[in-house]
Amino acid sequence: DIQMTQSPSTLSAAVGDRVTITCRASQRINDLLAWYQQKPGKTPKLLIYEASTLESGVPSRFSGSGSGTEFTLTISSLQPDDFATYYCQQYNSFSPSTFGQGTKLEIK
Amino acid sequence: QVQLQESGPGLVKPSETLSLTCTVSGGSIGNYYWSWIRQPPGKGLEWLGFLYYTGSTKYNPSLKSRATISVDTSKNQLSLNLNSVTAADTAVYYCARGKYQVLGYFQHWGQGTLVTVSS
Repeated sequence: DIQMTQSPSTLSAAVGDRVTITCRASQRINDLLAWYQQKPGKTPKLLIYEASTLESGVPSRFSGSGSGTEFTLTISSLQPDDFATYYCQQYNSFSPSTFGQGTKLEIK
Repeated sequence: QVQLQESGPGLVKPSETLSLTCTVSGGSIGNYYWSWIRQPPGKGLEWLGFLYYTGSTKYNPSLKSRATISVDTSKNQLSLNLNSVTAADTAVYYCARGKYQVLGYFQHWGQGTLVTVSS
């Protein structure tokens, strides 16, 4: 299995802050990486795919970057609606496809 | 806009079979990959398997051949059967779909259904 490791596990930040979440893959995944946002009791929402392509309707303050085995999700200016848990997913291999353990973004 | 709706028993006894249905509305089953994903309470996401509309399937090896995903195109429904369940199978189960003919990320998700394994 390709292991996906996110850091940090928890992040405290304030409205207006710029935040970055990192996702590391245990092997190269050809930029086949997606990011999701999940709020408590809600369904995950696709934010970014192919490491850096913004899903339609997602605010431009979200961006993704990286290649090879290290990827980042950046929120340029945190809004109150952004406090949630974020997951990365590799889909280079479906043997199996795997998610990171999640990063909980909390209000400071 | 496509909508996915999971349904099934909320409580399953240990060693029995968990059976869930995902009903697709506002779109066709055809030309898409359909996945089941689960999330134990307070934990992360685990991909369980996918089915392509042609009927081909692939499963997470961690399930040790306990899972079967099938499709009923006449009803626009997918099904997940997971046999020999234990408490470790307690989770919210989601069905999800990617983009047209794309196996990869999940653009559309159902609202999820909580299944508890307990006697």
